[in-house]
Amino acid sequence: DIQMTQSPSSLSASVGDRVTISCQASHDIGNYLNWYQQKPGKAPKVLIYDASNLETGGPSRFSGSRTGTDFTFTISSLQPEDIATYYCLQYDDFPYTFGQGTKLEIK
Amino acid sequence: QVQLVESGGGVVQPGGSLRLSCAASGFTFSHNDMQWVRQAPGKGLEWLTYIDFGGDKKHYADSVKGRFTISRDNSKNTVFLQMNRLRREDTAVYYCVKGLDCHEWGQGTLVIVSS
Repeated sequence: DIQMTQSPSSLSASVGDRVTISCQASHDIGNYLNWYQQKPGKAPKVLIYDASNLETGGPSRFSGSRTGTDFTFTISSLQPEDIATYYCLQYDDFPYTFGQGTKLEIK
Repeated sequence: QVQLVESGGGVVQPGGSLRLSCAASGFTFSHNDMQWVRQAPGKGLEWLTYIDFGGDKKHYADSVKGRFTISRDNSKNTVFLQMNRLRREDTAVYYCVKGLDCHEWGQGTLVIVSS
């Protein structure tokens, strides 16, 4: 199975900060990775698909990148509405696997 | 727009069974693969199972293999999750998910396994 190692597990930042979250895959998964935002009591929502594509209608402050098996999710300027938990998902091979999640809080 | 509406959750005793449904609309259901993902209270997301658009190919997580069965009825735009031999650790919100790439999600249905 492909393991996804996501870090950090939690993050506290100030409004306007640049925030980065990482996921490392245990095997080559190509670009088959999504980033999701989940707010309390809500379903996850895809923000970035295929590693670096911004979901239609998504704010341009969200971006994703890939270097080999390392994936990065970036918020260029943190906004109060970005408070949520973020997950990566690899969909290169079954069983699909999620990262452990990153809980983002405002400092 | 895409809508996925799960139903069938509730409280069930350990060892019991439950069948979840997910009614889909807003897209051509018979052309799309479907999946189920769950989230235990306060925990992360766990992928459970996949079914291809025709219902021929299926995959399962080890944690549910042999106990859960995914199926679909393309004439009713509905995907199902039959859950047998339920355990306390199956307590979770169960999400119906559209596509091979898990692009759209329903709002989830809560399953509580408790005596």
